[in-house]
Amino acid sequence: DAKTTQPPSMDCAEGRAANLPCNHSTISGNEYVYWYRQIHSQGPQYIIHGLKNNETNEMASLIITEDRKSSTLILPHATLRDTAVYYCIVRANFQGGSEKLVFGKGTKLTVNP
Amino acid sequence: DAGVTQSPTHLIKTRGQQVTLRCSPKSGHDTVSWYQQALGQGPQFIFQYYEEEERQRGNFPDRFSGHQFPNYSSELNVNALWLGDSALYLCASSLPGGRARNEQFFGPGTRLTVL
Repeated sequence: DAKTTQPPSMDCAEGRAANLPCNHSTISGNEYVYWYRQIHSQGPQYIIHGLKNNETNEMASLIITEDRKSSTLILPHATLRDTAVYYCIVRANFQGGSEKLVFGKGTKLTVNP
Repeated sequence: DAGVTQSPTHLIKTRGQQVTLRCSPKSGHDTVSWYQQALGQGPQFIFQYYEEEERQRGNFPDRFSGHQFPNYSSELNVNALWLGDSALYLCASSLPGGRARNEQFFGPGTRLTVL
Protein backbone atom coordinates (compact mmCIF):
# COMPACT_ATOMS: atom_id res chain seq x y z
CA ASP A 1 0.00 0.00 0.00
CA ALA A 2 1.01 3.56 -0.66
CA LYS A 3 2.44 5.32 2.39
CA THR A 4 1.16 8.73 1.33
CA THR A 5 -2.17 10.56 1.33
CA GLN A 6 -3.06 13.15 -1.29
CA PRO A 7 -6.26 15.00 -2.20
CA PRO A 8 -7.89 13.37 -5.22
CA SER A 9 -8.18 16.57 -7.22
CA MET A 10 -7.22 20.24 -7.26
CA ASP A 11 -7.75 23.19 -9.56
CA CYS A 12 -5.41 26.07 -10.30
CA ALA A 13 -5.60 29.17 -12.49
CA GLU A 14 -3.05 29.48 -15.25
CA GLY A 15 -0.09 31.62 -14.19
CA ARG A 16 -0.75 31.12 -10.49
CA ALA A 17 1.21 28.90 -8.14
CA ALA A 18 -0.06 25.37 -7.66
CA ASN A 19 0.55 23.94 -4.19
CA LEU A 20 0.03 20.18 -3.95
CA PRO A 21 0.03 18.72 -0.43
CA CYS A 22 1.06 15.25 0.64
CA ASN A 23 0.89 13.53 4.02
CA HIS A 24 3.43 10.83 4.86
CA SER A 25 3.17 10.53 8.63
CA THR A 26 4.83 7.07 8.78
CA ILE A 27 7.92 8.03 6.80
CA SER A 28 11.15 6.42 8.02
CA GLY A 29 14.42 8.22 8.57
CA ASN A 30 16.02 6.75 5.44
CA GLU A 31 13.09 7.38 3.11
CA TYR A 32 13.02 10.13 0.55
CA VAL A 33 9.97 11.98 -0.73
CA TYR A 34 9.64 11.72 -4.51
CA TRP A 35 7.20 13.47 -6.81
CA TYR A 36 6.22 12.23 -10.23
CA ARG A 37 3.51 13.40 -12.60
CA GLN A 38 1.66 11.63 -15.37
CA ILE A 39 0.18 13.53 -18.24
CA HIS A 40 -2.70 11.73 -19.89
CA SER A 41 -1.64 8.61 -21.83
CA GLN A 42 2.07 9.08 -21.08
CA GLY A 43 4.46 7.41 -18.68
CA PRO A 44 5.13 9.06 -15.30
CA GLN A 45 7.74 11.82 -15.29
CA TYR A 46 10.13 12.50 -12.43
CA ILE A 47 9.79 16.00 -10.96
CA ILE A 48 11.82 16.30 -7.77
CA HIS A 49 12.79 14.53 -4.58
CA GLY A 50 14.15 15.39 -1.15
CA LEU A 51 15.10 13.93 2.21
CA LYS A 52 14.64 16.71 4.76
CA ASN A 53 15.79 19.94 3.20
CA ASN A 54 13.70 21.99 0.82
CA GLU A 55 14.62 21.44 -2.80
CA THR A 56 14.18 23.44 -5.99
CA ASN A 57 14.83 22.63 -9.62
CA GLU A 58 13.75 23.96 -12.97
CA MET A 59 10.35 22.31 -12.69
CA ALA A 60 9.24 22.80 -9.11
CA SER A 61 10.01 23.35 -5.45
CA LEU A 62 9.57 20.79 -2.68
CA ILE A 63 8.89 21.94 0.86
CA ILE A 64 9.24 19.25 3.55
CA THR A 65 8.06 19.98 7.10
CA GLU A 66 10.59 19.79 9.89
CA ASP A 67 9.04 16.60 11.29
CA ARG A 68 9.00 15.16 7.72
CA LYS A 69 5.40 14.04 8.10
CA SER A 70 4.16 16.12 5.19
CA SER A 71 5.36 17.97 2.15
CA THR A 72 4.16 20.36 -0.53
CA LEU A 73 5.05 20.42 -4.19
CA ILE A 74 4.96 23.92 -5.63
CA LEU A 75 4.64 24.72 -9.32
CA PRO A 76 5.41 28.44 -9.22
CA HIS A 77 3.65 29.49 -12.43
CA ALA A 78 1.27 26.79 -13.57
CA THR A 79 0.55 26.41 -17.28
CA LEU A 80 -2.08 24.39 -19.10
CA ARG A 81 0.60 21.78 -19.83
CA ASP A 82 0.94 21.14 -16.10
CA THR A 83 -2.49 19.51 -16.08
CA ALA A 84 -1.69 15.96 -14.95
CA VAL A 85 -1.94 13.46 -12.11
CA TYR A 86 0.73 14.17 -9.50
CA TYR A 87 2.04 11.32 -7.36
CA CYS A 88 3.82 11.73 -4.04
CA ILE A 89 5.90 8.67 -3.13
CA VAL A 90 8.14 7.83 -0.20
CA ARG A 91 11.00 5.55 -1.01
CA ALA A 92 14.31 4.42 0.37
CA ASN A 93 17.49 4.42 -1.70
CA PHE A 94 19.62 1.40 -1.01
CA GLN A 95 22.79 -0.18 -2.29
CA GLY A 96 22.63 -2.75 -5.03
CA GLY A 97 19.40 -1.79 -6.68
CA SER A 98 16.73 0.81 -7.19
CA GLU A 99 13.88 0.58 -4.72
CA LYS A 100 10.47 0.10 -6.29
CA LEU A 101 8.01 2.96 -6.49
CA VAL A 102 4.69 2.47 -4.69
CA PHE A 103 2.10 4.70 -6.31
CA GLY A 104 -1.18 5.77 -4.76
CA LYS A 105 -3.94 7.37 -6.78
CA GLY A 106 -2.30 10.80 -6.79
CA THR A 107 -3.82 14.25 -7.19
CA LYS A 108 -5.45 15.20 -10.46
CA LEU A 109 -4.38 18.82 -11.03
CA THR A 110 -6.37 20.78 -13.55
CA VAL A 111 -4.94 24.11 -14.65
CA ASN A 112 -7.67 26.37 -15.96
CA PRO A 113 -7.18 29.23 -18.45
CA ASP B 1 20.20 10.49 -26.04
CA ALA B 2 17.29 8.11 -26.43
CA GLY B 3 14.96 7.75 -23.50
CA VAL B 4 13.15 4.58 -22.50
CA THR B 5 11.46 2.93 -25.45
CA GLN B 6 8.74 0.28 -25.42
CA SER B 7 7.15 -1.87 -28.07
CA PRO B 8 4.56 -2.39 -29.25
CA THR B 9 2.52 0.73 -28.51
CA HIS B 10 -0.80 -1.08 -28.53
CA LEU B 11 -1.73 -4.74 -28.49
CA ILE B 12 -4.99 -6.68 -28.59
CA LYS B 13 -5.12 -10.28 -27.41
CA THR B 14 -7.80 -12.78 -26.49
CA ARG B 15 -8.22 -14.64 -23.22
CA GLY B 16 -5.80 -17.52 -22.76
CA GLN B 17 -3.19 -16.15 -25.12
CA GLN B 18 0.36 -15.20 -24.23
CA VAL B 19 2.01 -11.82 -24.78
CA THR B 20 5.56 -10.44 -24.79
CA LEU B 21 6.29 -6.77 -24.24
CA ARG B 22 9.68 -5.20 -24.82
CA CYS B 23 11.65 -2.38 -23.25
CA SER B 24 14.95 -0.67 -24.00
CA PRO B 25 16.33 1.37 -21.10
CA LYS B 26 17.69 4.87 -21.21
CA SER B 27 21.33 5.05 -22.28
CA GLY B 28 23.62 4.33 -19.34
CA HIS B 29 20.92 2.67 -17.22
CA ASP B 30 21.18 -0.96 -16.22
CA THR B 31 18.13 -1.50 -14.03
CA VAL B 32 14.67 -2.09 -15.50
CA SER B 33 11.38 -2.14 -13.62
CA TRP B 34 7.94 -3.05 -14.92
CA TYR B 35 4.64 -1.63 -13.74
CA GLN B 36 0.99 -2.34 -14.55
CA GLN B 37 -1.46 0.54 -14.59
CA ALA B 38 -5.16 -0.23 -14.69
CA LEU B 39 -7.54 2.47 -15.81
CA GLY B 40 -7.94 5.16 -13.16
CA GLN B 41 -5.30 3.68 -10.87
CA GLY B 42 -1.68 4.45 -10.13
CA PRO B 43 1.00 2.14 -11.54
CA GLN B 44 1.58 -1.11 -9.62
CA PHE B 45 5.06 -2.62 -9.39
CA ILE B 46 5.45 -6.00 -11.09
CA PHE B 47 9.18 -6.74 -10.84
CA GLN B 48 12.65 -5.34 -11.37
CA TYR B 49 15.67 -6.70 -13.21
CA TYR B 50 19.30 -5.91 -12.54
CA GLU B 51 22.32 -7.80 -13.86
CA GLU B 52 19.95 -10.11 -15.73
CA GLU B 53 18.29 -11.27 -12.53
CA GLU B 54 14.95 -10.54 -10.94
CA ARG B 55 15.78 -8.53 -7.81
CA GLN B 56 12.38 -7.48 -6.52
CA ARG B 57 8.86 -8.68 -7.22
CA GLY B 58 5.48 -7.22 -6.47
CA ASN B 59 2.26 -9.08 -5.74
CA PHE B 60 1.73 -10.57 -9.18
CA PRO B 61 1.16 -14.26 -10.06
CA ASP B 62 3.72 -16.47 -11.76
CA ARG B 63 1.91 -15.90 -15.06
CA PHE B 64 3.96 -12.71 -15.15
CA SER B 65 7.59 -13.38 -15.94
CA GLY B 66 10.46 -11.42 -17.35
CA HIS B 67 13.93 -11.42 -18.68
CA GLN B 68 16.82 -9.02 -19.00
CA PHE B 69 19.40 -9.30 -21.74
CA PRO B 70 23.14 -8.49 -21.61
CA ASN B 71 22.45 -5.15 -23.31
CA TYR B 72 20.07 -4.33 -20.39
CA SER B 73 16.92 -4.46 -22.50
CA SER B 74 14.06 -6.40 -20.99
CA GLU B 75 10.95 -8.38 -21.81
CA LEU B 76 7.74 -8.87 -19.86
CA ASN B 77 5.81 -12.07 -20.59
CA VAL B 78 2.28 -12.74 -19.50
CA ASN B 79 0.78 -16.21 -19.96
CA ALA B 80 -2.86 -17.32 -19.92
CA LEU B 81 -4.18 -13.81 -20.36
CA TRP B 82 -7.47 -12.88 -18.77
CA LEU B 83 -9.64 -9.82 -18.99
CA GLY B 84 -8.16 -8.29 -15.83
CA ASP B 85 -4.74 -8.08 -17.47
CA SER B 86 -5.97 -5.28 -19.70
CA ALA B 87 -3.86 -2.28 -18.68
CA LEU B 88 -1.06 0.08 -19.58
CA TYR B 89 2.27 -1.66 -19.00
CA LEU B 90 5.07 0.71 -18.14
CA CYS B 91 8.78 0.10 -18.19
CA ALA B 92 11.14 2.26 -16.15
CA SER B 93 14.93 2.33 -16.14
CA SER B 94 17.35 3.64 -13.56
CA LEU B 95 20.91 3.53 -12.35
CA PRO B 96 21.82 1.16 -9.53
CA GLY B 97 20.73 2.23 -6.08
CA GLY B 98 22.67 3.96 -3.35
CA ARG B 99 22.94 7.20 -5.27
CA ALA B 100 21.60 10.50 -4.06
CA ARG B 101 19.72 10.98 -7.33
CA ASN B 102 18.18 7.74 -8.48
CA GLU B 103 14.96 8.56 -10.21
CA GLN B 104 13.29 6.10 -12.53
CA PHE B 105 12.69 7.16 -16.10
CA PHE B 106 9.50 5.79 -17.62
CA GLY B 107 8.70 4.80 -21.16
CA PRO B 108 5.43 5.66 -22.89
CA GLY B 109 3.94 2.27 -22.09
CA THR B 110 2.23 -0.53 -24.00
CA ARG B 111 -1.56 -0.53 -23.96
CA LEU B 112 -2.72 -4.16 -23.71
CA THR B 113 -6.36 -5.01 -24.33
CA VAL B 114 -7.58 -8.53 -23.60
CA LEU B 115 -10.88 -9.50 -25.21
